[in-house]
Amino acid sequence: NAGVTQTPKFRILKIGQSMTLQCTQDMNHNYMYWYRQDPGMGLKLIYYSVGAGITDKGEVPNGYNVSRSTTEDFPLRLELAAPSQTSVYFCASRNRGEGGNTIYFGEGSWLTVV
Amino acid sequence: QQPVQSPQAVILREGEDAVINCSSSKALYSVHWYRQKHGEAPVFLMILLKGGEQKGHDKISASFNEKKQQSSLYLTASQLSYSGTYFCGTVPYGGSQGNLIFGKGTKLSVKP
Repeated sequence: NAGVTQTPKFRILKIGQSMTLQCTQDMNHNYMYWYRQDPGMGLKLIYYSVGAGITDKGEVPNGYNVSRSTTEDFPLRLELAAPSQTSVYFCASRNRGEGGNTIYFGEGSWLTVV
Repeated sequence: QQPVQSPQAVILREGEDAVINCSSSKALYSVHWYRQKHGEAPVFLMILLKGGEQKGHDKISASFNEKKQQSSLYLTASQLSYSGTYFCGTVPYGGSQGNLIFGKGTKLSVKP
């Protein structure tokens, strides 16, 4: 059972470059999330989605874009990368409803912008 | 909307107990607790949905107060494996139930 799969695991970007972090889950979960975690800090919500075709901004959406064309996939796009976007990015998913609230995280993507 | 966690850090000897608090200025739909070890993804511990609820497994338990604005995580007879950073995640009333916001975390270190 793959769970939540993120790619790539490590990436170095130059300032101004763009890239997409891929995230896919095979648990048929409604909700999907992107968080960033700076060194020694907590998780900050970037964007989330409650279902295919629906996305909402979280706490720190500036500089990022997302789409949710299918239930399984929730890619995160970084446009014009900046050093402030150096962080660890976690994708996560959970199901809707009281019985399915366990959130499952991917293994993380370490991004450095130089 | 970010929940407030306290303390920021705790150092324990094996066998000692600890309490980590998570509070919000507004009523919450749910509170989630997670533990994260260095370099790894957070791992789910438990979720609380009802005011006055208490739940737990092994020697880790949690409570959710009646007003649903504060939750506490209790670690008893701590073990070395309990070391890590503990986060609470909250879903506030009145917004999307998908909106899950985390506190800044509590770093727990258990020494032999």
